[in-house]
Amino acid sequence: GAVVSQHPSRVICKSGTSVKIECRSLDFQATTMFWYRQFPKQSLMLMATSNEGSKATYEQGVEKDKFLINHASLTLSTLTVTSAHPEDSSFYICSALFGGGNEQYFGPGTRLTVT
Amino acid sequence: RKEVEQDPGPFNVPEGATVAFNCTYSNSASQSFFWYRQDCRKEPKLLMSVYSSGNEDGRFTAQLNRASQYISLLIRDSKLSDSATYLCVVQVVGSARQLTFGSGTQLTVLP
Repeated sequence: GAVVSQHPSRVICKSGTSVKIECRSLDFQATTMFWYRQFPKQSLMLMATSNEGSKATYEQGVEKDKFLINHASLTLSTLTVTSAHPEDSSFYICSALFGGGNEQYFGPGTRLTVT
Repeated sequence: RKEVEQDPGPFNVPEGATVAFNCTYSNSASQSFFWYRQDCRKEPKLLMSVYSSGNEDGRFTAQLNRASQYISLLIRDSKLSDSATYLCVVQVVGSARQLTFGSGTQLTVLP
């Protein structure tokens, strides 16, 4: 099946710093990628839809100036959490749409802890 | 009301038991339906798609009732390795193709 990687898998940062998370489709091109966030014991919540070559579409309540998304190539999307705060600590997961279909393949996730 | 609702559980069952999970969705425009499995601190993995005619994959059977907007997953002869959180997922197929996740049902299979 299609493979999606994320880097880093785990990051600890201090409050006020910025953190960049990379999502790569390793063996296919993905014009559309999605970014999710999952707090403990809660489900995945879609943050934004990332489209190659255009601006991301953010879900209601997600600050686009705080969560910067760049999808500069067909295999890479990045999420930058700017001026991170402890409440941003979460599990961030990306997914990529495979081919022209509807199936999404998920990355292994990035666990962010802001101290 | 949540778009996708599931019984959070937890379900604790002995090995070999049959267990059923239910899910309801509110958006009647939903067109694709899935069950995902998520292990602790891992990403969700697709378990199976769900079709109106019902479908089976080994010990797993999924059913969809569009009229009632209800989805189910049946696990027969449960194994220890089935312990996980099971996520009901719906998709409104269109230009966005976004997935909406239920909050998950936690299953623990006991020896």
